[in-house]
Amino acid sequence: ETGVTQTPRHLVMGMTNKKSLKCEQHLGHNAMYWYKQSAKKPLELMFVYSLEERVENNSVPSRFSPECPNSSHLFLHLHTLQPEDSALYLCASSLIRGYDQPQHFGDGTRLSIL
Amino acid sequence: SQKIEQNSEALNIQEGKTATLTCNYTNYSPAYLQWYRQDPGRGPVFLLLIRENEKEKRKERLKVTFDTTLKQSLFHITASQPADSATYLCALDLADRGSTLGRLYFGRGTQLTVWP
Repeated sequence: ETGVTQTPRHLVMGMTNKKSLKCEQHLGHNAMYWYKQSAKKPLELMFVYSLEERVENNSVPSRFSPECPNSSHLFLHLHTLQPEDSALYLCASSLIRGYDQPQHFGDGTRLSIL
Repeated sequence: SQKIEQNSEALNIQEGKTATLTCNYTNYSPAYLQWYRQDPGRGPVFLLLIRENEKEKRKERLKVTFDTTLKQSLFHITASQPADSATYLCALDLADRGSTLGRLYFGRGTQLTVWP
């Protein structure tokens, strides 16, 4: 049990579908993150959220849309994805920077685009 | 652009030996550096954090060094065990120092296999 729960664990979708990934943290953290992990590539930071600040990686396509309704929940809305978007999507949480706190990761959603 | 390199994709060692993994970076001066472990099908798990003003950090059988002049961190596992077999990731926080949000950038990782 990592304290960060991601659902679903596996998702198969067609390129025209719309789906959402969900992340919930039970650690009292106030910052949350989305990462993409593709085979043979480093983890790629996609989005960073706190209640005060949001940071986006400008290289992330607009077909990925994050939502952070409160400090415990984070969503990643997906629409019209491409085959190259197949990857492991990881959510993480931490205290805001300044405390040099590590990030706590969920076990990810394995996404496959048909 | 920022670049983080971990010395090799794979490292195989015999049980009981010391495993040494290397992380090199360019074009930045991070305030701290972190090491994570990742098992297949799981998310990364935090192991150690070392700050720019620290030369060495230890936790049980783990030791991390940080040389800001060489822009290098070494990660050691002493008395290695088969259970230490996993992928080890180096990560730098490359956010602006005034930002409240950390932005970790990871190396590709080194897959360590410890054989009996």
